[in-house]
Amino acid sequence: GDSVTQTEGLVTLTKGLPVMLNCTYQTTYSPFLFWYVQHLNEAPKLLLKSSTDNKRTEHQGFYATLHKSSSSFHLQKSSVQLSDSALYFCALSDLGTNTGKLTFGDGTVLTVKP
Amino acid sequence: GPKVLQIPSHQIIDMGQMVTLNCDPVSNHLYFYWYKQILGQQMEFLVNFYNGKVMEKSKLFKDQFSVERPDGSYFTLKIQPTALEDSAVYFCASSLARDYAEQFFGPGTRLTVL
Repeated sequence: GDSVTQTEGLVTLTKGLPVMLNCTYQTTYSPFLFWYVQHLNEAPKLLLKSSTDNKRTEHQGFYATLHKSSSSFHLQKSSVQLSDSALYFCALSDLGTNTGKLTFGDGTVLTVKP
Repeated sequence: GPKVLQIPSHQIIDMGQMVTLNCDPVSNHLYFYWYKQILGQQMEFLVNFYNGKVMEKSKLFKDQFSVERPDGSYFTLKIQPTALEDSAVYFCASSLARDYAEQFFGPGTRLTVL
């Protein structure tokens, strides 16, 4: 079955530094990749998504590129802000599910310090 | 933006009792989902519901679980009877389309079974 791996459970950075959160996946089918962000006591919200190989997608200063050759969809930002502190989930869907269900990684807690 | 509401936010019940978790999805959405997250673990797909029917359910969706959305009202998850291992946060999500569509999540219901 599908699986998603996020290698970092916790990332702590100083404001203004760049960040990369890793996401790799496994699926037999053509993949759809998503990044969701969840701030404390709030609902998870879509940050960005992609299904196109080697095309960068951006939103709110965050960006990611789906690389099917390496089964990766890493999330990056060039300069983190205090408000970026949150839980980040990488998620996978694919044409094989026929229902749109999402398979999530374990999540990465990003903490940005002043 | 569109919001998914979940009622209640917290529920504490004794093992063996019945519980109903309520979800008010985005009004024009057609696909509905429940996900389960045990503390410290990844969010996992439970069930997908479309056009009045369960489309797919995971191994976590035990026989004691049921879902319905009578007459376009709340999308509900009922557990009867509850077990200790049902303690988790349950997230409802809805989407307008199936493949590659943004799923809008509610803030979750924290269920504690004693």
